[in-house]
Amino acid sequence: DAGVIQSPRHEVTEMGQEVTLRCKPISGHDYLFWYRQTMMRGLELLIYFNNNVPIDDSGMPEDRFSAKMPNASFSTLKIQPSEPRDSAVYFCASSSGTGRSPLHFGNGTRLTVT
Amino acid sequence: GIQVEQSPPDLILQEGANSTLRCNFSDSVNNLQWFHQNPWGQLINLFYIPSGTKQNGRLSATTVATERYSLLYISSSQTTDSGVYFCALVNSGYSTLTFGKGTMLLVSP
Repeated sequence: DAGVIQSPRHEVTEMGQEVTLRCKPISGHDYLFWYRQTMMRGLELLIYFNNNVPIDDSGMPEDRFSAKMPNASFSTLKIQPSEPRDSAVYFCASSSGTGRSPLHFGNGTRLTVT
Repeated sequence: GIQVEQSPPDLILQEGANSTLRCNFSDSVNNLQWFHQNPWGQLINLFYIPSGTKQNGRLSATTVATERYSLLYISSSQTTDSGVYFCALVNSGYSTLTFGKGTMLLVSP
């Protein structure tokens, strides 16, 4: 089992540019989560999917953020346009069920917006 | 939403010492996990432990759901144990993990 795979590992971009983060969940997991970690706010849930369908996106900070899951093995989190305050580590995680199954995290993408 | 409190916020140990980290929560839970975030930022699953006791090498965890707390024990600590330990849980009736603020552990040689 390769675990949750995220790319890129690091991303540095200029304010105003579009950023796309990618995630491949563990095979067979039907829940996928996107989290953001900052020093000030800790780990925050942005959005989660069940069977490729977005269930709760109330954590998405604003319209500049969007997430998709076109199939069971791939998800993207897009920021357009990016701003310096978006700088954070973005984690993707997956589980085989909600609430009663352990969550497995990817290694994260460290985003720096200058 | 459910409240999660971890203590202590920071802990410094000499290599070889034992420690206990605590996680208190305000409501019933379906899922409780302990994670270790290492200095490289990776979030590593330690335990999935909504109730009972589990052990894995030098680490063990106990959750007493009826009293709404969980404990993580680290014995014979090593410098590689340094990092932040998070307790995260799912409130009964909900679907998503809520994280505590973590305990930052530094083990010095």
